[in-house]
Formats: sequence, C-alpha cells, structure tokens
Amino acid sequence: QSVLTQPPSVSGAPGQRVTISCTGSSSNIGANYDVHWYQQLPGTAPKLLIYGNNNRPSGVPDRFSGSKSGTSASLAITGLQPEDEADYYCQAYDRSLDGALFGGGTKLTVL
Amino acid sequence: QVQLVQSGAEVQKPGASVKVSCKASGYTFTGYYIHWVRQAPGQGLEWMGWINPNSGGTVYARKFRGRVTMTRDTSISTASMYLDRLRSDDTAVYFCATQTGRGALNFWGQGTLVIVSS
Repeated sequence: QSVLTQPPSVSGAPGQRVTISCTGSSSNIGANYDVHWYQQLPGTAPKLLIYGNNNRPSGVPDRFSGSKSGTSASLAITGLQPEDEADYYCQAYDRSLDGALFGGGTKLTVL
Repeated sequence: QVQLVQSGAEVQKPGASVKVSCKASGYTFTGYYIHWVRQAPGQGLEWMGWINPNSGGTVYARKFRGRVTMTRDTSISTASMYLDRLRSDDTAVYFCATQTGRGALNFWGQGTLVIVSS
C-alpha cells in the first residue's frame, strides 16, 4: 500500500530531543527513493527542512537532522525551542503511484 | 531571490472550474519542475502533479487524472493549474512549488485558497 505513516503528534519540553518517524514500503522509501521533510507553521506554506534523507538546506539549523533505514525514515530535533512548534511532513516518490507521496503529518507541541 | 507568486483566492460553485496561476521569478523558469500540492482545511498535504516547464510534459496524481490540467507559459514565467468539475471537497489551499534535483520541493508559493460552495 502506497502510504507514508507518521505519528499524529509528538511533544517535548524546551531543550529536549524528539524524533518523528515516517514509515513507508517497498514502493517508496524501501525502493531507495529519497525522503524529504517539511516544516509548516500555522497559516504558512511548507518549508523544506531536510532533503535527500539527511541534508539541510542553507539556513536550517543543525538541530534538525534526518535519517533513513529500510522502509522508514526519521526526523530528529534536538534542543527543542518554542518556535519549533509546527506540523512536520515527510515526502518521497512512490513508484506504484508514479508520483510524490506525503506522510499524514505530525504536530509537534513544545510543552 | 526565488519567488513564486500565486493568484488570489477564488470562490466557485460545484461543477465549475478554477484556474490557479503561479508566477516565478529569480531563477530560470524552464530549469526546474513545478509541482502542485493542496491542503484541505485542517488536513495534510496532498500531491496533485507536476509540470516540466521546459517541455510542457506533465504527470498527474491518479486521483486527479481527467480533472486536472497543468500548463505553463514560458514567455511570462507562469505555471497554471486548472481543476474541473469542482466539488465541495476540493475546498483547499493550493500551492505551487519548485523541485530540486533530488525531488524535494524547495521553494513554495504563498498558497491560493479555493472555496467550492453553492
């Protein structure tokens, strides 16, 4: 099945580390396609956070990191800050769909 | 700097069509694919398809095939997305975005709200 599954929500206190998982299948992440991550603040367009599994665009703090293994990927955020409170989405290409696929999104709450 | 500026909000009736445009600046328009992504109220991101501004070639998500058309006008560096036979569940914010070489969407338009209501 061509879906990317993310937890609906995660939370952490300021300064803590959180991870957000993105579970796919053999037709997307497991087929060795790159995983990308986006941050979306309320009322704004998504912003590219991680591309190509573990690369940060210019200007993205190194508190954000990505990893990928098998059919899953993860986004880690260390040193949580209040401004990190946002929705986070993973994205990958899916060969069964012959197109891009987004995860359902994860809402990060900074306690 | 790269900018994607989208057209303004639209209110359409069920069964009608809508056109959303995306004017690019700050880079070579024909150099990067443009994707369209939508987001229904309170929901996640949904990929709709992409257009190659150089060739005009397109790939549409299966869900939208037969209802969506993506075009480009290289003379004005503008991509457009047409959605036909609108339904209430097409109410969403529609985004355009450019694609990097590795398939990530690196620059996004501000979004265009389309409301479908009788």
